[in-house]
Amino acid sequence: DVKVTQSSRYLVKRTGEKVFLECVQDMDHENMFWYRQDPGLGLRLIYFSYDVKMKEKGDIPEGYSVSREKKERFSLILESASTNQTSMYLCASTLTGQGYNEQFFGPGTRLTVL
Amino acid sequence: DQQVKQNSPSLSVQEGRISILNCDYTNSMFDYFLWYKKYPAEGPTFLISISSIKDKNEDGRFTVFLNKSAKHLSLHIVPSQPGDSAVYFCAGNDMRFGAGTRLTVKP
Repeated sequence: DVKVTQSSRYLVKRTGEKVFLECVQDMDHENMFWYRQDPGLGLRLIYFSYDVKMKEKGDIPEGYSVSREKKERFSLILESASTNQTSMYLCASTLTGQGYNEQFFGPGTRLTVL
Repeated sequence: DQQVKQNSPSLSVQEGRISILNCDYTNSMFDYFLWYKKYPAEGPTFLISISSIKDKNEDGRFTVFLNKSAKHLSLHIVPSQPGDSAVYFCAGNDMRFGAGTRLTVKP
C-alpha cells in the first residue's frame, strides 16, 4: 500500500513564526504536491514538484516555499506565518506515466496560526 | 480561474436512492477526470476515473458519465449508503480540484 505521511496532525503557531510541514511517501513517486483545503474553496494547489530539487508554483504560492532534497520528502515552509494561513494542509504524491495517475494523499495537517 | 467547478456545495439523499454529483469543466484538453472522496480528518482517496475518450465508466455502485459537448461530468452512486456520506471532489489531470460537494446519505 502506498503510504503518505505528514509530520503533524495538528499544529498551533504564532503569527510571524517560521513553520515547516513535512511530507514523506514510500512508493518512489516522482511527483509530490501541497494543497490547502478551506471551506467553500476545495483543494487549492500551493506548490508541486516533479523531481528532486525541482519545484513549480501552483495557484496560491504566495507566502509559501517548498523544498525537495530527497525523492521521498517534500517540505512546505511558511516563512512568516499569518492568520490567513490557518487551514488544513494536504500532501499528495503520484507517479508519472500514461493514463490517469491517481494521487495518494496524506492525512492532513490542521494548522492554526494565532 | 478554476477549470473544474462543482456548483452544488451539498446534497442530501435517502439511503437506497441514487446520488448524483455534478462537475463542470472549461478545459477541453483534459485527458481524463478523477473523483475523490474525503472523510473528515482524513486525506482524499481516489474513487473512480474516466478517460476523455469515454462517455461512461462503472465500478460497482459508482458510475461516471462524461458529456463532452456540455463539458460536464457526473458521478452516480446507486444505491446510496450512509457510509457514502463524505465530501466528493472532481479533478482534471492538471491536479486541480473542484470545490467539492458534501453528500449526506440519511438512513
